[in-house]
Amino acid sequence: QVQLQESGPGLVKPSGTLSLTCAVSGGSISSSNWWSWVRQPPGKGLEWIGEIYHSGSTNYNPSLKSRVTISVDKSKNQFSLNLTSVTAADTAVYYCARVSYTSSGWDHWGQGTLVTVSS
Amino acid sequence: DIQMTQSPSSLSTSVGDRVTVTCRASQSISSYLNWYQQKPGKAPKLLISAASSLQSGVPSRFSGSGSGTDFTLTISSLQPEDFATYYCQQSYSTPRTFGQGTKLEIK
Repeated sequence: QVQLQESGPGLVKPSGTLSLTCAVSGGSISSSNWWSWVRQPPGKGLEWIGEIYHSGSTNYNPSLKSRVTISVDKSKNQFSLNLTSVTAADTAVYYCARVSYTSSGWDHWGQGTLVTVSS
Repeated sequence: DIQMTQSPSSLSTSVGDRVTVTCRASQSISSYLNWYQQKPGKAPKLLISAASSLQSGVPSRFSGSGSGTDFTLTISSLQPEDFATYYCQQSYSTPRTFGQGTKLEIK
């Protein structure tokens, strides 16, 4: 069974960089799936951040594109998110998820990690 | 961007009720529509993909239908564990977008 686990700092200072990693276990990140980041501000809905394929191909949300980088490390079976110039509006629970290549639904999710932007 | 609009935003319901949630896309997305269930403090769970394909392990009381711009999620007989927030999401194009969510509450 594929499992995803987010890790990274829970507190980031304003104007700093948010960096998270998603470790994939029980399956290969080089499989025929895309891998995605999604966030959810407290009490609000879901927002797609972007996605990556094991080849390194990426798609980003235009609303965040200037600040986002998603990368993959096949040797460690993980992928990462960097979000620069953060503000309080970036405070959210950040999820990583697998995009099923058969259905295009997001069929496996990490448990989520709360990142707070505050000085 | 494709806008996804769900209705209602919240619904007060009872165990045993039949519940229908609607999702409308701002343009045709064929059948590239997924439904998720989210409980407080938990990650979303994929219920239905490709508009009507029930995921393995999801109870058969859940069903999805629609294509093009109009979609529905139906719960035939609401169970206590179904009180949650439901989101639709289009996977037709980027940016991937979600509906605003429908919260099912106990009447």
